[in-house]
Order: sequence, then C-alpha cells, then structure tokens
Amino acid sequence: GQSLEQPSEVTAVEGAIVQINCTYQTSGFYGLSWYQQHDGGAPTFLSYNALDGLEETGRFSSFLSRSDSYGYLLLQELQMKDSASYFCAAPHSGNTPLVFGKGTRLSVIA
Amino acid sequence: NAGVTQTPKFRILKIGQSMTLQCAQDMNHNYMYWYRQDPGMGLKLIYYSVGAGITDKGEVPNGYNVSRSTTEDFPLRLELAAPSQTSVYFCASSYSLLLAGDNEQFFGPGTRLTVL
Repeated sequence: GQSLEQPSEVTAVEGAIVQINCTYQTSGFYGLSWYQQHDGGAPTFLSYNALDGLEETGRFSSFLSRSDSYGYLLLQELQMKDSASYFCAAPHSGNTPLVFGKGTRLSVIA
Repeated sequence: NAGVTQTPKFRILKIGQSMTLQCAQDMNHNYMYWYRQDPGMGLKLIYYSVGAGITDKGEVPNGYNVSRSTTEDFPLRLELAAPSQTSVYFCASSYSLLLAGDNEQFFGPGTRLTVL
C-alpha cells in the first residue's frame, strides 16, 4: 500500500527558514506533491517533484530523493501568512489518485 | 472560470436522513474526486471518477454513492446519515492522474456537514 509520514506540528519564527519532511512507502513511485491548507480553507497545490533534486518556486522549494524515499518542503523568509497545514501526497500506483499524508501544522511566531 | 464549486457550504442532518452534496467544475477536467477531512487529519478519498460514466471506490466509500453523468458534475450522495459522517467534504478535479506536471488537483471550498 501507500503511506506517507510527516511531522504533525512545526513551529518557526517569522523571517526564518523551516523544513517539513515527508517519507513515503509505495509499491512504485510516481512523484511527490505538496499542498497547503489554511484553517477553514481548501487545499491548494504548491509543488510537484517527479525527479530527484530541488524545485524552487519563490520562497518555497521542494526536494526529492527517490533512493531515500524522502522529500521535504522548504519555506524561506517565513511570514505569518505561512501558518497553515502542509500535506505531502503521492499516488498509490501509476494510475490511481493521490494519497495524502496526515499533514504538518506550521505555526509561524513573531 | 469559477473553478470547482460545491453546494451547500454548511448542512446539519439528523441521523438517518439523506442528502446530496453537489460539485461542479468548469475546467473540462476528466478526473474528479471526493474527499472527507476530519478535524486535524488528512484527506481521505471516498470516490473518484476518470470520466463521465466511470466511477471507482477510494479508501472510505461505505455509506456514500456517486454518479458522473456529465464531465462537469460529480454529486456525492449520503444515504442514512450517521454521526461518523460528520466531516468536511472536499470535491476536487484534475486534468490527469499523474506526471507531466498536470496532476495538480483543484479543490472546491468544501461542505461542512454535521450529523446529529
């Protein structure tokens, strides 16, 4: 089956850098996605990694190591508005929908 | 584009009642999904559809039914509501299932359902 593990909570200071890790177990590998969800809101897509390495989108970057079955989301220059839950997600197999991790709640403090 | 829309936004049901959660998308996506999210938890897939007339079960389908008569609409039916179905329900759609950077899922605003 498919399982994704990520920390339940992370706290970081405004302006700092934070890394949210995700380890996965899959029967195959078809890419790792990251979604952001603010309290009371809907999840929104942040990034997708199909290959090893770093993908950068503004203050957010996502990294993947397929050999380690591991990825992370890196948030730089943290702002209060980054306080949200972050989910990693991956398909169970090549032709099935995403399975989501339980999410990491990020709290940005002053 | 309205994206993915869901109605109603909130609903309170009594045990044993039935209801249909509506979902529509105007992006011409073939793939549509229904998730439920319990407080402090991740998203669990209820049902999904890969095109009009084709649906399949997800991780937690019991107590729910779906249909997909058009590309745009993907309603979720709850029969005989139970307190365990109290949750936030999200509908989503995507262009493809994976790869090519086109597997981004677009989510609706959610329906908050309470069963008492």
